[in-house]
Amino acid sequence: DAGVTQSPTHLIKTRGQHVTLRCSPISGHKSVSWYQQVLGQGPQFIFQYYEKEERGRGNFPDRFSARQFPNYSSELNVNALLLGDSALYLCASMKTGDPYEQYFGPGTRLTVT
Amino acid sequence: SQQGEEDPQALSIQEGENATMNCSYKTSINNLQWYRQNSGRGLVHLILIRSNEREKHSGRLRVTLDTSKKSSSLLITASRAADTASYFCATDATGTASKLTFGTGTRLQVTL
Repeated sequence: DAGVTQSPTHLIKTRGQHVTLRCSPISGHKSVSWYQQVLGQGPQFIFQYYEKEERGRGNFPDRFSARQFPNYSSELNVNALLLGDSALYLCASMKTGDPYEQYFGPGTRLTVT
Repeated sequence: SQQGEEDPQALSIQEGENATMNCSYKTSINNLQWYRQNSGRGLVHLILIRSNEREKHSGRLRVTLDTSKKSSSLLITASRAADTASYFCATDATGTASKLTFGTGTRLQVTL
């Protein structure tokens, strides 16, 4: 089975622009979570979606939004980009039920100039 | 904010030696998971240990969990150059199974 896929792999944007990142979960997984990893730190939780509904939100500004589609794929949107948004954005999928193992995609490297 | 700390921050060993890294966390948890990350790419799931388990093995990996001390350790036996990576522990607090909180990571370097 294919793992979690993310697109694009790399992205360069200018301050103030908007960006959309995409994620496809493992087949059969209905939950998708997004994480931001700044260089030298561990990932930080941004959002979790399950069955197209937001189930959790981390401590990120309203410039960050996400949604999940009927096929369980997901988009993360970031508006009014700041230099500090430069990071690796990771998507994780999780099957329903215990054990709650999360499987991560390769990430999207976003650079804001 | 980070849940806790990994210790040490960096570890350099020779191939064939064992590598031990520790993780501390702050809140009550359901599970603790260990991940490996190569060169700033995606995280690879290594092992999950439940809060009611004390030790778990998977191949060359051995994980222990001490909930009274809020700490865990990951032992990699007979390390290989391919084990060179950053290792993170991640916890899901009680009632938030989908929200993982990561530590700061241990950078492991295995030399020939």
